[in-house]
Amino acid sequence: DADVTQTPRNRITKTGKRIMLECSQTKGHDRMYWYRQDPGLGLRLIYYSFDVKDINKGEISDGYSVSRQAQAKFSLSLESAIPNQTALYFCATSEGSPSTDTQYFGPGTRLTVL
Amino acid sequence: AQTVTQSQPEMSVQEAETVTLSCTYDTSESDYYLFWYKQPPSRQMILVIRQEAYKQQNATENRFSVNFQKAAKSFSLKISDSQLGDAAMYFCAYRGRGAGNQFYFGTGTSLTVIP
Repeated sequence: DADVTQTPRNRITKTGKRIMLECSQTKGHDRMYWYRQDPGLGLRLIYYSFDVKDINKGEISDGYSVSRQAQAKFSLSLESAIPNQTALYFCATSEGSPSTDTQYFGPGTRLTVL
Repeated sequence: AQTVTQSQPEMSVQEAETVTLSCTYDTSESDYYLFWYKQPPSRQMILVIRQEAYKQQNATENRFSVNFQKAAKSFSLKISDSQLGDAAMYFCAYRGRGAGNQFYFGTGTSLTVIP
């Protein structure tokens, strides 16, 4: 089974709808991240969490919110989706130790907002 | 914030040949980590190789190696004996050594392998 899973894998929604993307991990990592990927822009950080009680905004947090329900679960919400939020969304985890820190990614969620 | 620049949006290589993907970064830190990730058509992000800035020796993983030039803030990826399965988008990434530091990604290089 995959260490980092994301649901759904693909989603089409309409402008103004609320949508939640979910991420679960079995790696036992404290740190979790949400990124979006757009062609020509690479990956940009939306939110990150270093533990259940620690949530931080990333580079492009406007229009998004997150919830860290448990060490293993980190959800991303779009309260009122708009077309320019159409993108590929990745969840990632890391241990947090500087000496070993590497990010492990989920399979991605392709979101289309019409 | 640190910036990571990949100046080659697209590259191509003949099968079995060698190709080098470029990456430069901007930082005022002296200790940090650099990464190359591969994203094949399946869109899964896969770690290719990792370099610690305080190590002068260039990292190597089988056919993948890096040329790390700290003074020039350059971190290129060399793929030797290219295979069809190497075709993918490649992202360079930077992370400072501090415990609270984030990852910063470049915009990616799309590599095509020609049979």
